[in-house]
Amino acid sequence: NAGVTQTPKFQVLKTGQSMTLQCAQDMNHNSMYWYRQDPGMGLRLIYYSASEGTTDKGEVPNGYNVSRLNKREFSLRLESAAPSQTSVYFCASIPPGQSNQPQHFGDGTRLSIL
Amino acid sequence: QKEVEQNSGPLSVPEGAIASLNCTYSDRGSQSFFWYRQYSGKSPELIMFIYSNGDKEDGRFTAQLNKASQYVSLLIRDSQPSDSATYLCAVRAGNMLTFGGGTRLMVKP
Repeated sequence: NAGVTQTPKFQVLKTGQSMTLQCAQDMNHNSMYWYRQDPGMGLRLIYYSASEGTTDKGEVPNGYNVSRLNKREFSLRLESAAPSQTSVYFCASIPPGQSNQPQHFGDGTRLSIL
Repeated sequence: QKEVEQNSGPLSVPEGAIASLNCTYSDRGSQSFFWYRQYSGKSPELIMFIYSNGDKEDGRFTAQLNKASQYVSLLIRDSQPSDSATYLCAVRAGNMLTFGGGTRLMVKP
């Protein structure tokens, strides 16, 4: 009963370093999403993937890249981390079919960039 | 820019009272509407969703939607201290789900 799994849960990086945040879901969902949440704010969409093989930019895509490796996995990459990317990152997925279905969230990755 | 607006709060209510949380949205093409609860340091968890005008009740929670006014609300009856959290309104149009900034609710014993 894993649902949406994110790794790592915590990470500290230095400015300029790169890293990839991993997300996997075992619910056979088509669409997957990456959000960031800054203190006291709601979630802002970085990128999403409506189906395997497709990705689209969200509200705040600059400084990030994504890969939809297969139906289960959707990764987020920071090529050259900046302090402004310090945030909590959430991955989410939704089931296929009707658009009124809710999203399922992972537990988040807390990322600090020094 | 599609916007979802919420009062950031904090909204403070006494235990047992009704808490009323409000949300407005700008995209008239929005199809479905969600309320999430988020405890500090945790991921959002779904409370309710609604996609037709009117009221939808689930236990102590009632979601209300008025598409003409582009307004969605969440009522929490018999508020409990355990309801103290941030409540996020989310609006879906196509594959995009846009969140409001959240309202912090504090229920005082």
